[in-house]
Amino acid sequence: GAGVSQSPRYKVAKRGQDVALRCDPISGHVSLFWYQQALGQGPEFLTYFQNEAQLDKSGLPSDRFFAERPEGSVSTLKIQRTQQEDSAVYLCASSSDRDSSNYGYTFGSGTRLTVV
Amino acid sequence: AQTVTQSQPEMSVQEAETVTLSCTYDTSESDYYLFWYKQPPSRQMILVIRQEAYKQQNATENRFSVNFQKAAKSFSLKISDSQLGDAAMYFCAYSLGDSNYQLIWGAGTKLIIKP
Repeated sequence: GAGVSQSPRYKVAKRGQDVALRCDPISGHVSLFWYQQALGQGPEFLTYFQNEAQLDKSGLPSDRFFAERPEGSVSTLKIQRTQQEDSAVYLCASSSDRDSSNYGYTFGSGTRLTVV
Repeated sequence: AQTVTQSQPEMSVQEAETVTLSCTYDTSESDYYLFWYKQPPSRQMILVIRQEAYKQQNATENRFSVNFQKAAKSFSLKISDSQLGDAAMYFCAYSLGDSNYQLIWGAGTKLIIKP
């Protein structure tokens, strides 16, 4: 596609509910990142994929968070048993270069998750 | 700890004027990359400008330029001839590059453009 597409754009979940957030990166992009952006803050790194391999998941805040990219394209971030502190915007970014720092990333518009 | 500090939570500027957004960072590395991103209400992070730390020349992109002071670990963004469409949150970020692909972000500065 022309850009990074994320869905849904908004998600309201009841505490304890499981949610799945989808990221469709730019076609052919090797690298894919998930970031969590709390209200009034800058994003924080969650996890990184190179093709289908999850090379870094050090930023996932707990074992309730799980991400996958089984075919090296679309990625899903799953949060189990959501809690209020999970409320944030979840941003996905992709890059055509393994060394994404050289060129920056293309971001999606994020999913705003509200846990009530 | 690696940190990025944006000391101005909010800035306002008259349309057509010039505004400078400040950013300082802390890293012990000598080679890294610096970025300014713009986040409008649509929430999409849009790359405004990037700077490689090993380059002494300040990066420029049309109305946007940076003042990179490596010794002071300062990376300010200057927006000339401000336009209404420049209104957004601006985030400073850096990455160590190579296998250090994570972006480390500041908390952002809200830029208001007065017509």
